[in-house]
Formats: sequence, C-alpha cells, structure tokens
Amino acid sequence: DTGVSQDPRHKITKRGQNVTFRCDPISEHNRLYWYRQTLGQGPEFLTYFQNEAQLEKSRLLSDRFSAERPKGSFSTLEIQRTEQGDSAMYLCASSLSRLNTEAFFGQGTRLTVV
Amino acid sequence: AQSVTQLGSHVSVSEGALVLLRCNYSSSVPPYLFWYVQYPNQGLQLLLKYTTGATLVKGINGFEAEFKKSETSFHLTKPSAHMSDAAEYFCAVSVLSGGYNKLIFGAGTRLAVHP
Repeated sequence: DTGVSQDPRHKITKRGQNVTFRCDPISEHNRLYWYRQTLGQGPEFLTYFQNEAQLEKSRLLSDRFSAERPKGSFSTLEIQRTEQGDSAMYLCASSLSRLNTEAFFGQGTRLTVV
Repeated sequence: AQSVTQLGSHVSVSEGALVLLRCNYSSSVPPYLFWYVQYPNQGLQLLLKYTTGATLVKGINGFEAEFKKSETSFHLTKPSAHMSDAAEYFCAVSVLSGGYNKLIFGAGTRLAVHP
C-alpha cells in the first residue's frame, strides 16, 4: 500500500463550475477526514467519515460542498458553483479506529478558481 | 475549546545551527500533540507525536519535542539544521469529538535554512 492517494493533484476551474476530488485512503483505515488549507494557514477540518457514515461536518462546509464515501473505501468531495474563495489545497487523511493514532495525509488537491 | 498557537510564522537558521519551533496549546483535557512537516505542494508527514508517558518524544529526521504541561508547550527542536529541513511545520492538538480524534492545527512555521 502506497499511502493515501488523491486525484487530481491540481485543478484549475472557472468560477461557477462544479469540481469533484477523489481520495483513496490506506486500505485498512476506516476513518477518513477532509481538510482545507489556504495559503499561509494550517489545515482546517471539513468533515469526517467512519466507514461510510459521515459523522461530522464543519461550518466551513457550505451547502455547495458535499462529501461521500459510498462503500466505506474511497471518498469524493464535490464543490458546486465554485467561487474564487474556494481556491485552496484540499487534503484527505485516514486513520485507524484507535484513540491516539495519527492521521496519514495524502498529497492534496490544489484547486484554483479563476 | 482546544487550540494551538505557533509563535513565529517564519524562522531562519544557518545550516548546522539549532532549530527551535515553538508551539503552545490550549486544552481542557490531557492533550495528544503532533508535529507535522509539509514540503512545497505536498501533503503533511508526521514528524512525532505525544500521547502519554515520556514527555520527551523523538521523531524522524533527528527532530524531538518536549511536552511541558506547566507551560502548555510542545516545542520542536533539532540540534543541527540541514538544508533539507527547509519546509513548513505544523503543530496540532487532537480533540476527542464524538468518539474520534480530530486534529486542530496551528497556522504553521516556515523554516528556512541558509548555508
């Protein structure tokens, strides 16, 4: 297993378009997280899945954002009607279901909205 | 609420000099603390973590951090900087929320290493 994989690595889109990102976690990890990182800031929590169940959504996740993990394996994050403020690095992480275990991060998808 | 403050958004050191990156946390319960490193256009890589037990934690690439409860600090150090250490470093506290751990990150410190 090569770690958490995210696709695409880079995405440039026009304002108003929809975009979808994919995350493939480490295979035995049942926890999956999405974070957003803007320039000069640390990652901010967006949402969390335990298997296929989405258990928490941040207030940062507006109605234009939706995340799924249909079979408890890969996850997708969709942004509808993108805005320039959505430009950021979107990071996916996964972990085991142990209390003090660390999260392993993917390389991220950098979104630029023009 | 739990939070993390990293003092100094930019730190510059000479190659071979001591690296000290500061992190203070706020937590109402015993914290789990982490340091991650991020190279340009890459994801985050775990350097080290503190959960319980020994307060001096050793990580990868020669880094270590000491948990000081009385000072609510978890500063990251390395005795001798290498050019390859130039990167952004994030301190994080793990928040127990609904039975799982959620990471709260500081704003990061960019480390520059010059010859």
